[in-house]
Amino acid sequence: QSALTQPASVSGSPGQSITISCTGTSSDVGGYNFVSWYQQHPGKAPKLIIYDVTRWPSGVSNRFSGSKSGNTASLTLSGLQADDEADYYCCSYTNFGTYVFGNGTRVTVL
Amino acid sequence: EVQLVESGGGLVQPGESLRLSCAASGFTFSDYPMHWVRQAPGKGLEFVSSIIGDGGSTFYAMSVKGRFIISRDNSKNTLYLQMGSLRGEDTAVYFCARDLPSGWSFDYWGQGTLVTVSS
Repeated sequence: QSALTQPASVSGSPGQSITISCTGTSSDVGGYNFVSWYQQHPGKAPKLIIYDVTRWPSGVSNRFSGSKSGNTASLTLSGLQADDEADYYCCSYTNFGTYVFGNGTRVTVL
Repeated sequence: EVQLVESGGGLVQPGESLRLSCAASGFTFSDYPMHWVRQAPGKGLEFVSSIIGDGGSTFYAMSVKGRFIISRDNSKNTLYLQMGSLRGEDTAVYFCARDLPSGWSFDYWGQGTLVTVSS
């Protein structure tokens, strides 16, 4: 199972919006509405920020939003803040009953 | 408060075995599927294995299938990963993670335990 494709890096200025794409196949992203997104700061465990493509876990800011079209999911960060600087990973359930992560995107706040 | 605490990592030689544990607390362990996810140094996240709540079904990434075995002891609230025939590419921080109640994502993670495979 190949990793989902994400851009290696995305940057933006404070207050701006950025979008991270996550491209898979019909066997994962395109086949299920079970795409999740995780934020990981250096040396820390990942944190769930979006699940089931568009839903927020309790306590997560609505500045994060998710969407999906075909085999590509997207995460949008609005009102960029310094603490948003981190690595972001998408993840999808697959038709093998397993999960596949994206290769990760480093977000830099300029 | 949900807590997941991994243990059992360390330095092993290629071809050797190691068992990781993940002690869970703060929730009804047997109600939740559980997962192992790993992260090689400086690399991204990689799904390793999943097990459903009663332990009746398990799932593995192709990279570890036939070498790793996931299991759980619901009486001890503990998740395990028995790793065999270890290779250098298995070197990583191994995280255990809980399934979101509605499924299909990982809502709580442990702090991870480092496994280093090297001669």
